[in-house]
Amino acid sequence: GENVEQHPSTLSVQEGDSAVIKCTYSDSASNYFPWYKQELGKGPQLIIDIRSNVGEKKDQRIAVTLNKTAKHFSLHITETQPEDSAVYFCAASIGSGTYKYIFGTGTRLKVLA
Amino acid sequence: GAGVSQSPSNKVTEKGKDVELRCDPISGHTALYWYRQSLGQGLEFLIYFQGNSAPDKSGLPSDRFSAERTGGSVSTLTIQRTQQEDSAVYLCASSLGTTDTQYFGPGTRLTVL
Repeated sequence: GENVEQHPSTLSVQEGDSAVIKCTYSDSASNYFPWYKQELGKGPQLIIDIRSNVGEKKDQRIAVTLNKTAKHFSLHITETQPEDSAVYFCAASIGSGTYKYIFGTGTRLKVLA
Repeated sequence: GAGVSQSPSNKVTEKGKDVELRCDPISGHTALYWYRQSLGQGLEFLIYFQGNSAPDKSGLPSDRFSAERTGGSVSTLTIQRTQQEDSAVYLCASSLGTTDTQYFGPGTRLTVL
């Protein structure tokens, strides 16, 4: 079945450094890739997304890249701040134009002050 | 405006009892989703409602799980004869339309003793 692998499971960086989280997906028909941030005791919040017709998207300190050929997509956070500490989930749509996502298992990011 | 709300925030029950979890979506959102988040795992799709269409129940893990959405708004997820493996955080999300951004509620943490 469809699968999304996410690495690393935990990541610690110094404040101001960059953080990179990587995901791979198996369904070649997937065309939508959202990233969610989940803080303790809260539901996931969409932080950035990318569609398969785009290779890169940036929003201030956050960027996402997509390599359709390799079925890889990555989240890049620059100039990390303590408030970036959270669990980050990647997801891939099941097929194209669907509401169903397969989620990665999450990355716990700790930004050390 | 108000986001997705869920109640209760925490529920502790004994094995074999039935539980009901409630979700109030964002006003005007036609699509509603239930997910399950087990410890250290990603989000697992359970069920999807869109307007007056028949729900997509393909993610429900067993016939002990059911959900309904009354009047196209509030939804209730019911788990009958709860088992210890049902212990998880149950998340609800809503979106304006089928392929729009999904906004998550804070979740209900279910513990089955």
